[in-house]
Amino acid sequence: NAGVTQTPKFRILKIGQSMTLQCAQDMNHNYMYWYRQDPGMGLKLIYYSVGAGITDKGEVPNGYNVSRSTTEDFPLRLELAAPSQTSVYFCASSLPGQGTSNQPQHFGDGTRLSIL
Amino acid sequence: AQSVTQLDSHVSVSEGTPVLLRCNYSSSYSPSLFWYVQHPNKGLQLLLKYTSAATLVKGINGFEAEFKKSETSFHLTKPSAHMSDAAEYFCVVSDYSSASKIIFGSGTRLSIRP
Repeated sequence: NAGVTQTPKFRILKIGQSMTLQCAQDMNHNYMYWYRQDPGMGLKLIYYSVGAGITDKGEVPNGYNVSRSTTEDFPLRLELAAPSQTSVYFCASSLPGQGTSNQPQHFGDGTRLSIL
Repeated sequence: AQSVTQLDSHVSVSEGTPVLLRCNYSSSYSPSLFWYVQHPNKGLQLLLKYTSAATLVKGINGFEAEFKKSETSFHLTKPSAHMSDAAEYFCVVSDYSSASKIIFGSGTRLSIRP
């Protein structure tokens, strides 16, 4: 049972470099999310997607881009890495909400990213 | 606007004693409420979910939470702590069935003393 798989687990970047964080899920979930987690803070939503071809900004989208060409994959791209993007990044997926209720999210194990 | 406050950033209990992790929320509507657990270097895992079916919700690993609308609280409890319960716990509130309307608390770190 793979669930949500994130790669890489760790990465160190230099300022100005770019990279793509990969996320794949095998549960056929329509909804996918990218969060960042900073020390002592809750998770902040970067981008989300409600289905293939549909993406939207979350609370902290600046400096990031996403695409959703398939149901399974939801990569997050950093174009010009900055020290403020040092964080732990989590990808999650879920079924669509029912009525006024959101469905539980399934999380990957995270990517720990340092920008130096 | 919805919000969630976890009242303690760190809770320490002895093994075998009760656990109480406190969560207050603000919501304009009848909210969905969740508790997640995060072990070191892992992603978040669902403990339990409230969606108005019953005010007392039972979750995995012996945890439960009670929804109290009058107090706008959703505290997490466990009768007897185990060493394996040491982790970070997050309370989450959502007003609508919208992917962007999910708000995470800042987390409570639970330590268990032998």
